[in-house]
Amino acid sequence: QVQLQESGPGLVKPSETLSLICTVSGGSISGYYWNWIRQPPGKELEWIGYMYYSGTTNYNPSLKSRVTMSLDTSKNQFSLKMSSVTAADTAVYYCARRYSSSSRWFDPWGQGTLVTVSS
Amino acid sequence: QSALTQPASVSGSPGQSITISCTGTSSDVGGYNYVSWYQHHPGKAPKLMIYDVTNRPSGVSSRFSGSKSGNTASLTISGLQAEDEADYYCTSYSTISTYVFGTGTEVTVL
Repeated sequence: QVQLQESGPGLVKPSETLSLICTVSGGSISGYYWNWIRQPPGKELEWIGYMYYSGTTNYNPSLKSRVTMSLDTSKNQFSLKMSSVTAADTAVYYCARRYSSSSRWFDPWGQGTLVTVSS
Repeated sequence: QSALTQPASVSGSPGQSITISCTGTSSDVGGYNYVSWYQHHPGKAPKLMIYDVTNRPSGVSSRFSGSKSGNTASLTISGLQAEDEADYYCTSYSTISTYVFGTGTEVTVL
């Protein structure tokens, strides 16, 4: 059973870069689409983007200029970097898998990690 | 790209049926049969309950069902149980290959 676990600093200063890692266990990272999704406090979920194991990416246009995703197959991990963060980037960040190019759902998800942007 | 609209809360007694709506536009819900639903107990990983509007993943109770009419998708929970108390979110594939989520619905079992 594939399980995902997010990790990274819980506190980031404004204007700095947020960095998170999602570790995949119980299965390979190869062959799937790996997504980041976030939920600011009191707000709806927001899709950030995905990275295919081959390196192809697709980012939410509203965040594209600040987002970079990467993948490390040797460690079965994929990562998110978001630059120039502000308080509006405070959120619970989730990683999730899409099974294939034709699957338009997310399964499984990680438990999420809270990132607070504050000085 | 606006969030899909869901009722903030829905409640029902054990054994009853409830329906959660998810309203979007022709650019998302109405334009594709790619609506999925997730159950979220706070502090836990969200769980896929329905995909592609009506399909139920293996292991998900048959008490959960999905449907769609026009720009509105719906999740119905039949035979409501205490364990169903959670937050529920819909999501839809959207134009320009993105995804939009619903505002979320808190389900309370009375």
